[in-house]
Amino acid sequence: DVKVTQSSRYLVKRTGEKVFLECVQDMDHENMFWYRQDPGLGLRLIYFSYDVKMKEKGDIPEGYSVSREKKERFSLILESASTNQTSMYLCASRRLAGYNEQFFGPGTRLTVL
Amino acid sequence: QKEVEQDPGPLSVPEGAIVSLNCTYSNSAFQYFMWYRQYSRKGPELLMYTYSSGNKEDGRFTAQVDKSSKYISLFIRDSQPSDSATYLCASNVNTGFQKLVFGTGTRLLVSP
Repeated sequence: DVKVTQSSRYLVKRTGEKVFLECVQDMDHENMFWYRQDPGLGLRLIYFSYDVKMKEKGDIPEGYSVSREKKERFSLILESASTNQTSMYLCASRRLAGYNEQFFGPGTRLTVL
Repeated sequence: QKEVEQDPGPLSVPEGAIVSLNCTYSNSAFQYFMWYRQYSRKGPELLMYTYSSGNKEDGRFTAQVDKSSKYISLFIRDSQPSDSATYLCASNVNTGFQKLVFGTGTRLLVSP
């Protein structure tokens, strides 16, 4: 089974802190994604990566950056956390473009105070 | 207007009922249509997907796409309490990087 793991289930940070969210997949997938999920807004794509060291902006990249130094790991960085970044963050991976199924991690519930 | 619209619910039904979950979409280029199921405090998991118009059946679940009306449906027969979850529809085009566009999700509650 494909497994996508995220470094924390729950995280509480203060405004202005730098926050790192880590995601690891174990199936040698080419593509990885970061979403945030908010009530009434659904899943919104923040950034995606189609290969190592490659990254593309999604629909809501402002206030975020990403890093993909190794194929299995995709990190989301909040350079200076703000209260409007309080959300559920979901990481996903996909074998490569042309395969429709994305495999999701369990999510990180981030609260910014 | 969102590209994929979905009623957030909650939809409450008794065990054994037939459930109908629906989405509408606006992008005529969408070709793949998916249903994800998300249990509380878990990530979404793919339940079913269909390509273009038509029906697809898998056990108690049937996915239906009507491209002429831009309507996506998921039917659950003989619903069980274990079906209680949020159901997300998603669509994408068959070109480029094929990013998924998700609906907001419908929360389903099946009571024993």
